[in-house]
Amino acid sequence: EVKLVESGGGLVQPGRSLKLSCAASGFSFNDYWMGWVRQAPGKGLEWIGEINQDSSTINYTPSLKDKFTISRDNAQNTLYLQMSKLGSEDTAIYYCASVYYGLSLDYWGQGVMVTVSS
Amino acid sequence: DIQMTQSPASLSASLGETVTIECLASEDIYSNLAWYQQKPGKSPQLLIYDASSLQDGVPSRFSGSESGTQYSLEINSLQSEDAVTYFCQQHHDYPPTFGGGTKLELK
Repeated sequence: EVKLVESGGGLVQPGRSLKLSCAASGFSFNDYWMGWVRQAPGKGLEWIGEINQDSSTINYTPSLKDKFTISRDNAQNTLYLQMSKLGSEDTAIYYCASVYYGLSLDYWGQGVMVTVSS
Repeated sequence: DIQMTQSPASLSASLGETVTIECLASEDIYSNLAWYQQKPGKSPQLLIYDASSLQDGVPSRFSGSESGTQYSLEINSLQSEDAVTYFCQQHHDYPPTFGGGTKLELK
């Protein structure tokens, strides 16, 4: 069974940094592109970026590229999202997902909530 | 960025009905469109990719089609478990963008 489990979320003060993890199991993690998407409370979905199998290609939504850094550790079957200079606009549920055809997403984690507030 | 205008934002339908949700792309996305279903408090699930290809395990009452830059998700014989939220996503151009969502409710 494919499982993606995010962790590392919580309450963080404005201006601080936070690193999310996504532990993968049940599939060959190192064969897949992986991505991050977020969803602000009551809002739609926003693409953050994606990373290829060997980390040689990492793409970000242009408006978010200065805030986020995506990385992965294939030995640990783990995907990461480093977030910096967080603001209230970054309050959202953050999902990791495996990339399918094109940049559609077939398997998603359950999501992790990040709340930016003083 | 390509804008995906999804309609309606909400929809009420009866069990057994056929419903259609639409997404209008601001430019040609060449069938690079996916549909997702999201149940309350859960992560989205892929229903359809490449505009009309049914993801494994998805009931055949779900189907996707296109006409120009207009993409449609049709649900036949509406079941109670289908009364949740649906999103479209284009991935022809970067960054991928999502429609605003359609909340489907039962009458």
